[in-house]
Amino acid sequence: DAKTTQPTSMDCAEGRAANLPCNHSTISGNEYVYWYRQIHSQGPQYIIHGLKNNETNEMASLIITEDRKSSTLILPHATLRDTAVYYCIVSPNFGNEKLTFGTGTRLTIIP
Amino acid sequence: GAVVSQHPSRVICKSGTSVKIECRSLDFQATTMFWYRQFPKKSLMLMATSNEGSKATYEQGVEKDKFLINHASLTLSTLTVTSAHPEDSSFYICSARDPGGLGSEQYFGPGTRLTVT
Repeated sequence: DAKTTQPTSMDCAEGRAANLPCNHSTISGNEYVYWYRQIHSQGPQYIIHGLKNNETNEMASLIITEDRKSSTLILPHATLRDTAVYYCIVSPNFGNEKLTFGTGTRLTIIP
Repeated sequence: GAVVSQHPSRVICKSGTSVKIECRSLDFQATTMFWYRQFPKKSLMLMATSNEGSKATYEQGVEKDKFLINHASLTLSTLTVTSAHPEDSSFYICSARDPGGLGSEQYFGPGTRLTVT
């Protein structure tokens, strides 16, 4: 079973920041938070991951609460190409650990 | 990031026939690859973990004799759907991790859409 809870869907205006929340209240000390997204009829794409510190890369920022029970993925300037299903996954950082996908959040960017 | 390819991207086959799907890591070697299945409007479900040089590990409820996995080299894993039936029609996706990469993220192939008629 997936260990995360995400809203089913969200809308965001083009050009605005998209903030996608994720609850992972049962996360273990050795588990990282990973974010992937899946554009329609394509394979998932890695976005970002983190353990406890906030992380930022060219795609997004990841904010993890101090108690690590929740996190927020931020797309700073959403474009129409960011319309996708976003998955929040917790997993140990062993590399070959399998990923368990939940239902994700369907993000729609509105022109 | 690292690139994972799949072939074919789409396949249509008749009920009762077998179909082979290839998953390749193009610019890295992967000792472990994963196979997922995704039904329309549903999330990805892990089917099995493919280990180079050894038997695959199947998830509960996945028939190992129906979904044959071979991981004969560090860059290629194959999934063969044997005696396919219409209920096997789905989107099949593989993934692999680049052990030489900076993180532990997995890279996914573009998927193979199987339609069994």
